[in-house]
Amino acid sequence: KQEVTQIPAALSVPEGENLVLNCSFTDSAIYNLQWFRQDPGKGLTSLLLIQSSQREQTSGRLNASLDKSSGRSTLYIAASQPGDSATYLCAVRRGGKLIFGQGTELSVKP
Amino acid sequence: DAGVIQSPRHEVTEMGQEVTLRCKPISGHDYLFWYRQTMMRGLELLIYFNNNVPIDDSGMPEDRFSAKMPNASFSTLKIQPSEPRDSAVYFCASSPLGLLYGYTFGSGTRLTVV
Repeated sequence: KQEVTQIPAALSVPEGENLVLNCSFTDSAIYNLQWFRQDPGKGLTSLLLIQSSQREQTSGRLNASLDKSSGRSTLYIAASQPGDSATYLCAVRRGGKLIFGQGTELSVKP
Repeated sequence: DAGVIQSPRHEVTEMGQEVTLRCKPISGHDYLFWYRQTMMRGLELLIYFNNNVPIDDSGMPEDRFSAKMPNASFSTLKIQPSEPRDSAVYFCASSPLGLLYGYTFGSGTRLTVV
């Protein structure tokens, strides 16, 4: 059974710091991995999608990497801003299913 | 594109009542998914459809839950009778056919059963 774990569960950093969020999964037979952002009381916004054959994807200040063999992905956020405060979720796609981690709650202090 | 549209945004109902949640996927998307989010269990897949056909409903909690997709542009998730433990945020998501694509989520329906 595929399990997805995100560490840390919560993170608080001062504005301007670079930070890394971690995601691990137990079964490397995935099709892709997707990072989402969720603001309090809101839906999920897709940030980055990495195919199983890819190593990384970049969008603006965000960079996501994937090491399928070790079952790990990281989301790097450069020069963090208070507006980055949200919960970040990673999810792996296996077959038709998208399986989620529990998320990392990020707080960026001004 | 208006994205995935869910209604209602909020629903408060009394225990024992029937609740129907609605979803309109993105036009052209072949997959439709229903998820439930709670603090304790996070995001759980309830059921998903491919071309209007239910493929996997193993996540549906019990017989009180049912989902239909009568056509490519509409799906419902029904709970009858509702119970307080059904209180959660229910999300609908859709995706094109093919494993190269990600999922797009709706804004969710916050259900409270009192």
